[in-house]
Amino acid sequence: GEDVEQSLFLSVREGDSSVINCTYTDSSSTYLYWYKQEPGAGLQLLTYIFSNMDMKQDQRLTVLLNKKDKHLSLRIADTQTGDSAIYFCAEMRGTGRRALTFGSGTRLQVQP
Amino acid sequence: NAGVTQTPKFQVLKTGQSMTLQCAQDMNHNSMYWYRQDPGMGLRLIYYSASEGTTDKGEVPNGYNVSRLNKREFSLRLESAAPSQTSVYFCASSEGWEREQFFGPGTRLTVL
Repeated sequence: GEDVEQSLFLSVREGDSSVINCTYTDSSSTYLYWYKQEPGAGLQLLTYIFSNMDMKQDQRLTVLLNKKDKHLSLRIADTQTGDSAIYFCAEMRGTGRRALTFGSGTRLQVQP
Repeated sequence: NAGVTQTPKFQVLKTGQSMTLQCAQDMNHNSMYWYRQDPGMGLRLIYYSASEGTTDKGEVPNGYNVSRLNKREFSLRLESAAPSQTSVYFCASSEGWEREQFFGPGTRLTVL
């Protein structure tokens, strides 16, 4: 996953907004995803964005895509303690291997 | 629907032993994947099967073999386990390469 980079850790207070950032390198990426992993569990898809979109909103989640800078962000509004988890961004490239490339994950800690 | 199931959940092997990790999905998906997750790293693709009857190498295939037994099942075999293969292994499936991937709960493997 060295082509997809994320910061390792983010701590926020309950009720605040969280913003998790991701940068990727492949301009041919077609879809970009955000997955959530709770302790001891598999990955759960939160949301995704197609590369021709700038923004996608889904309830408390907002995804922003800056294709020029190859930057993706996930904003969680009104963060709750149940949002504490590791968040992975992943890209699906438009050429070559048809599989996801993951970042190393951002651990979100929500303080009560 | 059980989704994606994996067996076993935990396994301890000695160096040189062999074993097969099993994965099955009941969603009639065409594509299936095997990933490994190591501490501080994202998921790395070991092998994938874009459709029944085909398999392809991913990012880290060395030391592994796979079998797409039928549309439902995709197994991962370690012929001669090494300590470097200590990891958490996730199986995933999707309708097609561009579609959402659904993950199993993972197999935690320790090689002594």
